[in-house]
Amino acid sequence: AQTVTQSQPEMSVQEAETVTLSCTYDTSESNYYLFWYKQPPSRQMILVIRQEAYKQQNATENRFSVNFQKAAKSFSLKISDSQLGDTAMYFCAFMKHAPKTEYGNKLVFGAGTILRVKS
Amino acid sequence: DGGITQSPKYLFRKEGQNVTLSCEQNLNHDAMYWYRQDPGQGLRLIYYSQIVNDFQKGDIAEGYSVSREKKESFPLTVTSAQKNPTAFYLCASSPGRRLPSGANVLTFGAGSRLTVL
Repeated sequence: AQTVTQSQPEMSVQEAETVTLSCTYDTSESNYYLFWYKQPPSRQMILVIRQEAYKQQNATENRFSVNFQKAAKSFSLKISDSQLGDTAMYFCAFMKHAPKTEYGNKLVFGAGTILRVKS
Repeated sequence: DGGITQSPKYLFRKEGQNVTLSCEQNLNHDAMYWYRQDPGQGLRLIYYSQIVNDFQKGDIAEGYSVSREKKESFPLTVTSAQKNPTAFYLCASSPGRRLPSGANVLTFGAGSRLTVL
């Protein structure tokens, strides 16, 4: 079974600064996908960024980027130029590759990191 | 606009009662999921379904039941057998096996908060 660990329960950052959220995972799979989801105070889950394990290039989405280290099973999220609207719970999640013949596409989540952006 | 609608947003239950949480999607997604969220534990999978009239247990299915009679709907019943049902429940959907796994991004509803009195 896969597990996802987020070792930072809470973090804070000043507006306009950069912050990095950590995530490690454990799997014996070679082909999988990793995600970061954001849950603001409204509790609506929003996809932030996605990474395919077979791609060496780190994914980026505007101010959000990841540092994917497959050998170390690490998948950290970097938020640049932090904004007040980035205040949220951030979840790291894992999905193994599932052939269409299998029942798949389950997401396994970490416990989350609460990020507070201060003005 | 396409999306997922969960109802009710807040629900109170007396001990010993069954309650049903509604989840409806108009995204034409094949797959649907139910997650439970507790403080400090992230989201845990209760049940999921890849196709109508079929569903699978997740990691914490005990005390819950589901049905998938229509593609758009995936209601969750919290039975009296669930020992600690107070939690936040999230429904999600994804395109399903029509697409490769990596394209199966989950879209979430706004959630339902269940409190046992």
